[in-house]
Amino acid sequence: ETGVTQTPRHLVMGMTNKKSLKCEQHLGHNAMYWYKQSAKKPLELMFVYNFKEQTENNSVPSRFSPECPNSSHLFLHLHTLQPEDSALYLCASSPRTTEAFFGQGTRLTVV
Amino acid sequence: AQSVSQHNHHVILSEAASLELGCNYSYGGTVNLFWYVQYPGQHLQLLLKYFSGDPLVKGIKGFEAEFIKSKFSFNLRKPSVQWSDTAEYFCAVTAPNSGGGADGLTFGKGTHLIIQP
Repeated sequence: ETGVTQTPRHLVMGMTNKKSLKCEQHLGHNAMYWYKQSAKKPLELMFVYNFKEQTENNSVPSRFSPECPNSSHLFLHLHTLQPEDSALYLCASSPRTTEAFFGQGTRLTVV
Repeated sequence: AQSVSQHNHHVILSEAASLELGCNYSYGGTVNLFWYVQYPGQHLQLLLKYFSGDPLVKGIKGFEAEFIKSKFSFNLRKPSVQWSDTAEYFCAVTAPNSGGGADGLTFGKGTHLIIQP
């Protein structure tokens, strides 16, 4: 148990659906992240939030929309996804510049 | 921008064998270096990290890594592996953020390690 909780653990959605992924941490960390883990590719950093402010967006398509309402919660809103967006989506948090703590991920399948 | 290269994508060893997994990074400035492990069905866990000081760092479960600045390398080692070390291993790098915030990690593609009993 890392202290970073992601829900749901598994999600199947159609290309026209809208869904949201949720991440929660009560570790007192200031930074939160979304990563994408696909087969045969390195983990890809998608978004970085520092003190609830988005500080990095790694050229992620607009069909992925993050939201950080407070320093403990992070959402990833999904709409009109493509089958190639199927992957494991990982949330992480960190206390500034030390190591990141990861959740168990949401396994997303787009049909 | 940083990049990380892990040379071995699949490694198969017998129990008690010695392990070394290669990791090279590309970045001209000061870096923080990490090795993470992902056991089957589990979340990514930190094995060890290097920020500064002694370039030989020791982590959990008997793992260690050596930072060689001149070679831009941070190889992971374990003298004698166990069946329970079967997992995916990821090397990662980040540059210290002078602004006081946090930057995300840049990961290598990972090495799938299988230990045969």
